[in-house]
Amino acid sequence: GQQVMQIPQYQHVQEGEDFTTYCNSSTTLSNIQWYKQRPGGHPVFLIQLVKSGEVKKQKRLTFQFGEAKKNSSLHITATQTTDVGTYFCAGGFLGSGNTGKLIFGQGTTLQVKP
Amino acid sequence: DSGVTQTPKHLITATGQRVTLRCSPRSGDLSVYWYQQSLDQGLQFLIQYYNGEERAKGNILERFSAQQFPDLHSELNLSSLELGDSALYFCASSALDRGQDGYTFGSGTRLTVV
Repeated sequence: GQQVMQIPQYQHVQEGEDFTTYCNSSTTLSNIQWYKQRPGGHPVFLIQLVKSGEVKKQKRLTFQFGEAKKNSSLHITATQTTDVGTYFCAGGFLGSGNTGKLIFGQGTTLQVKP
Repeated sequence: DSGVTQTPKHLITATGQRVTLRCSPRSGDLSVYWYQQSLDQGLQFLIQYYNGEERAKGNILERFSAQQFPDLHSELNLSSLELGDSALYFCASSALDRGQDGYTFGSGTRLTVV
């Protein structure tokens, strides 16, 4: 079935350390999106990756889409306390009629110790 | 304010009851998606509507139903409520047909079944 696995579930880092979360799908994705949910908030769209091997950067955040379009990662360099939250990947699957439906991973909750 | 409005913000009800959650999408967005987020869980896709028509269905229980009205607002109806239905219910809208990436989420409705 359509499933996106995300690891780790939790990550505690010291401020200034790097952080990475990984997503995997057993089937090829048409696209992958990343969202951030602050504690008590709602998910907020960060970025979309569509092309095989694509890499995009947003300041300290680097997003990658695997060559086979089955995996993705988000890397944060030199974390800050403002990075605290849960990061979700969300995959769009081929053959779903391009409805725009996304299947979300379980999320990685990042805690940053000042 | 994300532009997606969900009401009510909080709902407390008893087992066996029926509730209706309401969502107004961002102006001009034709697609509405409903997701359920339980404690420490990811976002589970329930159902999608596009311009009044059901477009995609996830693991939505038979006790749950939804619809999208001509003015594009959507309602999610939950009946015969059980304790396990307690969760945060998010609505999101998107404008894929206008080439805009990503979902815009509402602030959610927190449902507590007692």
